[in-house]
Order: sequence, then C-alpha cells, then structure tokens
Amino acid sequence: SQTIHQWPATLVQPVGSPLSLECTVEGTSNPNLYWYRQAAGRGLQLLFYSVGIGQISSEVPQNLSASRPQDRQFILSSKKLLLSDSGFYLCAWSESTRQETQYFGPGTRLLVL
Amino acid sequence: AQTVTQSQPEMSVQEAETVTLSCTYDTSESDYYLFWYKQPPSRQMILVIRQEAYKQQNATENRFSVNFQKAAKSFSLKISDSQLGDAAMYFCASVSGGYQKVTFGTGTKLQVIP
Repeated sequence: SQTIHQWPATLVQPVGSPLSLECTVEGTSNPNLYWYRQAAGRGLQLLFYSVGIGQISSEVPQNLSASRPQDRQFILSSKKLLLSDSGFYLCAWSESTRQETQYFGPGTRLLVL
Repeated sequence: AQTVTQSQPEMSVQEAETVTLSCTYDTSESDYYLFWYKQPPSRQMILVIRQEAYKQQNATENRFSVNFQKAAKSFSLKISDSQLGDAAMYFCASVSGGYQKVTFGTGTKLQVIP
C-alpha cells in the first residue's frame, strides 16, 4: 500500500531564515505531487504541483519554491521566511493514471517568529 | 473556474444520530469528480468519499453516503450512526479538467455530542 511522509512535523523558524520541508511517497511510481498551505481556520491553497521529476507548476507567486529531485520526493523551500509564511503545509499525491483523487500526508506546522 | 460552497460553518449531532452536511459547487466542465475530506484535530486530510459526476448512483462508504444532485449542483454528505471519532472539519472538494487542481470549500466543523 502507498504511504506518504512529511517532515518535520513541527517547525519554528525566525523571520529571514531558510526553509526546507520534505515529502516522500512510498509504494507507487511516478505520482503527481502537490504542496498546499492551510492558514488557521481556512481552506487549502494549492502552492505547487508536479507531474514528474524536475517538472514544477506554481500556482501562487510568493517567496516559496518547490523541487522534485527524485520520483517520489517533493521539497518545499524558501530562502528567507516571512511572517506570512506561517501555516500548516500539506503534501499530497495522486496516481498518474488516476489523477483526480489526492491523498494527503500528515502535514507540517510552521511558525515564523 | 470551479467554486465550492459550504454554507454551514458549524454543525452538531448527537452520538448515534444522523447528520447531513451541505455542499454546492459550480463548474462548466462535464467531466468532474467530487469529494468529501475529513480533517480531525491532527489536521491530516482523510478522504471520506468520492463521486464521479458521470455516475448517477450515489456513493456510499459504510456509514457515509452522499446525495448527489447533478442538476442542482448539490453534493451533501450524510453521516449515519454518528460516533465521537467523526468530530472533525469536513471539506467538500471538486476537480475537473486536467485533474491537478482541486477546489476546496471552506469547511464545516462537526461536533458530536455524547
């Protein structure tokens, strides 16, 4: 069966520091991968998605970036965090042949101080 | 563009009773999918149920079922025999087109009263 991992689970970072959040999927090949952000009490905002290694689509212009160095690894990064980057970050995957259904990881709570 | 509307910010239900969460959507696509996701306090999004728009039969998953009214663009979730573990935020969502972009509603917080 497929599983999705995210780490770290919780992160507290100062403003201006860099960020690296990692997401990995097991038990499937060539998945579509997604990064979402959820502000407190709000819905989900799609940040990036990837249909293959090195292929990244950005949905929201911001100081975040994403990379996919391996088939089942998706990384969310920032060179300098802003206060507004605080939130809950969710990674998700879907099968390349059945893209419509997304499955989510446990998420990372990010607090920028 | 797709829109998903959940007009009930909060709902409550007695344990063992039945509750229905409402959702309406709007899309110009003829091929689309609808979902209900559950987000418990741990905040992991868990897929509850999925409906293909081309199927007239309502989807069911154990105690969870949907009432899919395509003409009215309505997609409600019914939870039968509610349990304490059902307490969570419930998000309605839709996807169409290239299937990469899921549109989520704003969520309904469900409280289960013992």
